[in-house]
Amino acid sequence: ELKVEQNPLFLSMQEGKNYTIYCNYSTTSDRLYWYRQDPGKSLESLFVLLSNGAVKQEGRLMASLDTKARLSTLHITAAVHDLSATYFCAVSPNDSGGGADGLTFGKGTHLIIQP
Amino acid sequence: NAGVMQNPRHLVRRRGQEARLRCSPMKGHSHVYWYRQLPEEGLKFMVYLQKENIIDESGMPKERFSAEFPKEGPSILRIQQVVRGDSAAYFCASSPKRWSLANQPQHFGDGTRLSIL
Repeated sequence: ELKVEQNPLFLSMQEGKNYTIYCNYSTTSDRLYWYRQDPGKSLESLFVLLSNGAVKQEGRLMASLDTKARLSTLHITAAVHDLSATYFCAVSPNDSGGGADGLTFGKGTHLIIQP
Repeated sequence: NAGVMQNPRHLVRRRGQEARLRCSPMKGHSHVYWYRQLPEEGLKFMVYLQKENIIDESGMPKERFSAEFPKEGPSILRIQQVVRGDSAAYFCASSPKRWSLANQPQHFGDGTRLSIL
């Protein structure tokens, strides 16, 4: 069974600081996704990482993927209050067995950025 | 609005009643995926459907839950004889082809928040 673990699960930080969220997964995968969710809202796609060494950046967020280590990171640079949200990573396994059509999500990182 | 449409946004049921959640995929999409999100948890895959077919229901509880995607109309997730543990947010996503064969994110609807009294 594919397991996806995020850490930390809760993070409170001040504006202007940098921090990294980690996402580890337990099986072979070349496809990893980062989503943002605001309270009571749906999930907004942030990044799609499709190969080992993939790095994508959008504004103050940068995501990377190391398929050998089965690790993805989401780095926040000079955080601002508007980035407060819950961030999820999700993985699609490489095999085509049962459940391969659905994403497996981590529990999410609740990020609070204090002004 | 060309996005995935779910209704109702909020649904309250008493224990033992039936809950019906609807999902209209994006225009031109014939593949639908349902997920459940428990409080403070990530989304968990439930079922994948194409028009008139269930393709993968490996995440669906064996009892009380069923899903359909008829030739005409929205996809329906039905929960019979609801219990308190069914309280959750239910999200659906759609895609124009089998998503696992495409290198794109799944796009989600706004979800249905189900509360069981």
